[in-house]
Formats: sequence, structure tokens, C-alpha cells
Amino acid sequence: KQEVTQIPAALSVPEGENLVLNCSFTDSAIYNLQWFRQDPGKGLTSLLLIQSSQREQTSGRLNASLDKSSGRSTLYIAASQPGDSATYLCAVGGSTLGRLYFGRGTQLTVWP
Amino acid sequence: GAGVSQSPSNKVTEKGKDVELRCDPISGHTALYWYRQSLGQGLEFLIYFQGNSAPDKSGLPSDRFSAERTGGSVSTLTIQRTQQEDSAVYLCASSPTGTSVVDTQYFGPGTRLTVL
Repeated sequence: KQEVTQIPAALSVPEGENLVLNCSFTDSAIYNLQWFRQDPGKGLTSLLLIQSSQREQTSGRLNASLDKSSGRSTLYIAASQPGDSATYLCAVGGSTLGRLYFGRGTQLTVWP
Repeated sequence: GAGVSQSPSNKVTEKGKDVELRCDPISGHTALYWYRQSLGQGLEFLIYFQGNSAPDKSGLPSDRFSAERTGGSVSTLTIQRTQQEDSAVYLCASSPTGTSVVDTQYFGPGTRLTVL
């Protein structure tokens, strides 16, 4: 069974810092990996999707990398802002299309 | 355009009662997914619809849980004889095809279920 782990569980930083959030997964037979953001009381918003054949994706201040063979992904957030405060979830698509396997998330707080 | 909507947003019920949770996916999305998020836990997959069929319902935790989708659109998740451990936020998502490696899942705001 696919297991997804995210480290750290929580992170609190001052505004302006560059951050790295980590995700690891146990089964490398994935078709994609996605990073989501969840704000309190709200649903999930997709941030980046990396296909299994890709190494990284970028969107604005966000950059996600994927090393499928080692079962790892990182989400890099540049020049963090208070508006980035949220829970960040990593999810992998398994060997067949359909369900996603989620980690428990990293709760990020960026203070002014 | 309109996103995924879910109703009700909150539901409080007594142990042993049946509940129905509704999901309206993004118009035109073929695939629909149900997940639940318990306190302190990650999102747990429940069931996946491709059109009106459910090729993967392996995540349903017991036979008290069932789901259907009609007209390739609205889906209802039904929990019979609710138990306290069913308390969680139930999230619905939809995606354009469900058969593409670049399909992104779009999530609704969830239904918070509390079983007393």
C-alpha cells in the first residue's frame, strides 16, 4: 500500500524566508504527484502537478521537484508571505488512474 | 465558472441515524471522487466514479457506506446507522476525464459530519 509522509508537520517562519517542504512516498509506481494548499474550513486548491516523467514544475514563487526513483518530492516556496500561511498537502497518483494518496500535510505559518 | 459544491456544509446527527451528503461536480467533469478527512489524519480515499460507474470503491470503510452518481453529474454519499467514528469532513472532488496523467482534481469545501 502506498504511504505518503510529509516533513515537517508544522513550520513557522518570518516573512521573506525561502522554504522547503518535503514529501516522501513508498511505492515509486506513480503516474503523477500533486501539491495542494488547504486553508482552514475550506477545500483543497491544486498548486502544482508533476507527471511521473517530469523532474519539476514551477508556478510563480513555487517550484516542485520529483525524484521518482528515490520516492521524494520537495516544494520550494520563495520569499514567503503571510498569505502563504496554510496547510500544504502532497498527493501521489498510484499505479492506476483514479485515487490519490495523501500525506498528512505541513502546516505553514508565515508571520509579518 | 462554478466550482465543486457540497451540501450540507455541516451536519450533526445522532448515532444510528442515516445521513446523505451531496456533491455537485464541475459541469462536464467525467470523474468524481469522495475522500474523508478525520481529525489529525490525512485525506482518506473512499470511492471514484467514472461517469455513473464506480471502478474503484475499495476505500469504503464498511457496508454502511454507499454512493451513487446519476446523470454523470450529482453524487450522493450515504452513511447508514452512523457511528461516532464516522465524524469527519467529507470532501468531494471532480476532474475532467479521470483517465489522464495531467488530470487535476478540483475539490469542494467539504461537509463536516458530527455524530453525537
